[in-house]
Amino acid sequence: QQQVKQSPQSLIVQKGGISIINCAYENTAFDYFPWYQQFPGKGPALLIAIRPDVSEKKEGRFTISFNKSAKQFSLHIMDSQPGDSATYFCAAKGGMYGGATNKLIFGTGTLLAVQP
Amino acid sequence: NAGVTQTPKFQVLKTGQSMTLQCAQDMNHNSMYWYRQDPGMGLRLIYYSASEGTTDKGEVPNGYNVSRLNKREFSLRLESAAPSQTSVYFCASSEYRTSSYEQYFGPGTRLTVT
Repeated sequence: QQQVKQSPQSLIVQKGGISIINCAYENTAFDYFPWYQQFPGKGPALLIAIRPDVSEKKEGRFTISFNKSAKQFSLHIMDSQPGDSATYFCAAKGGMYGGATNKLIFGTGTLLAVQP
Repeated sequence: NAGVTQTPKFQVLKTGQSMTLQCAQDMNHNSMYWYRQDPGMGLRLIYYSASEGTTDKGEVPNGYNVSRLNKREFSLRLESAAPSQTSVYFCASSEYRTSSYEQYFGPGTRLTVT
């Protein structure tokens, strides 16, 4: 119930294409869903986040789509660029796994390669 | 403003040796976390500290101990290293606000246990 399942494990996209990464969860008490981006040799950094009261959030070329009934959320990267090549993690917070901290449970990660 | 710093960056240990990973943050955050990152496993929480003076176990605490030395510093200790503890370790910090739950990560420590 505390898992966040992420797919695909790796993704290759051509420059200018759309990258789509999917995550699914079981715990309906989760109330915050961030995506983190990690470049090689660096720590993860927050990219974009959504709460379950909205179905979509867009920041530049990055969009989160959220489907509460299906318990799924996805990251869309429009006009993908070689500089977007990184590992992307979805995560969730809340319910028994959260409380009065910002504890997150992370997906297993997607390695994105954008080919020029 | 350095954010979250970790030392060392790299470490090689022999099985049975002990070591302490250091973490410090200068953002005046209350909460701090230790994660390990392994291929195909994502980021798994080892221990966390919601506030100065408190620590709690995460998903994978076995073989580790932590100390929240003060508000800035949170260390992770391996008492008797095992090859299964070969991993990249990340420290993170955050401030609990209902407007933002962002965690800020350090650059990581790559640990190899032979």
